[in-house]
Amino acid sequence: DAGITQSPRHKVTETGTPVTLRCHQTENHRYMYWYRQDPGHGLRLIHYSYGVKDTDKGEVSDGYSVSRSKTEDFLLTLESATSSQTSVYFCAISESSGAGYTFGSGTRLTVV
Amino acid sequence: AQRVTQPEKLLSVFKGAPVELKCNYSYSGSPELFWYVQYSRQRLQLLLRHISRESIKGFTADLNKGETSFHLKKPFAQEEDSAMYYCALSGRSGGSNYKLTFGKGTLLTVNP
Repeated sequence: DAGITQSPRHKVTETGTPVTLRCHQTENHRYMYWYRQDPGHGLRLIHYSYGVKDTDKGEVSDGYSVSRSKTEDFLLTLESATSSQTSVYFCAISESSGAGYTFGSGTRLTVV
Repeated sequence: AQRVTQPEKLLSVFKGAPVELKCNYSYSGSPELFWYVQYSRQRLQLLLRHISRESIKGFTADLNKGETSFHLKKPFAQEEDSAMYYCALSGRSGGSNYKLTFGKGTLLTVNP
């Protein structure tokens, strides 16, 4: 087990509704990240966290917010889902900012 | 700004043939470079990092700072190597935290 789980694994939601994705880790790593994966774009960083209540924006943060109230949980919220946010979302963790990442299994989100 | 370029979206080779997946980067500092692999509908897994200079599953990658490249090579491709390969760079882009920037990926198909 990689020590990182994402939930839900799949979700279909309607345009305009809020959606929250959860990333949970058991490794006690300081750094957590949210990426989205889209064909032709690779992985793009949405938001990341470098400690409890410490978060920062990535390159595609518009329309997303995050929260980290505990070391083990990093939540990604789509405040009002749009069709352009249909994607596969990956969470990643790392023990130091320059180290390699461990990825979760992904959440496939479809906004209709 | 940090950028990673993988010029080939698709690469197809025959089993037993050599394979090289190209990666070029742009970064003003001293980079840390990685290769990640994603088998069909699975999570991304770390394949190589340049500082460890390991050979994993027969793959090697050498950092060439003069050419700003980190190409992934394997002398004899196997069918199980078929996957999406991502090159990634860890660096600071404003602020004090390192972030991992990915290329858009190369889909490798090894034909029997």
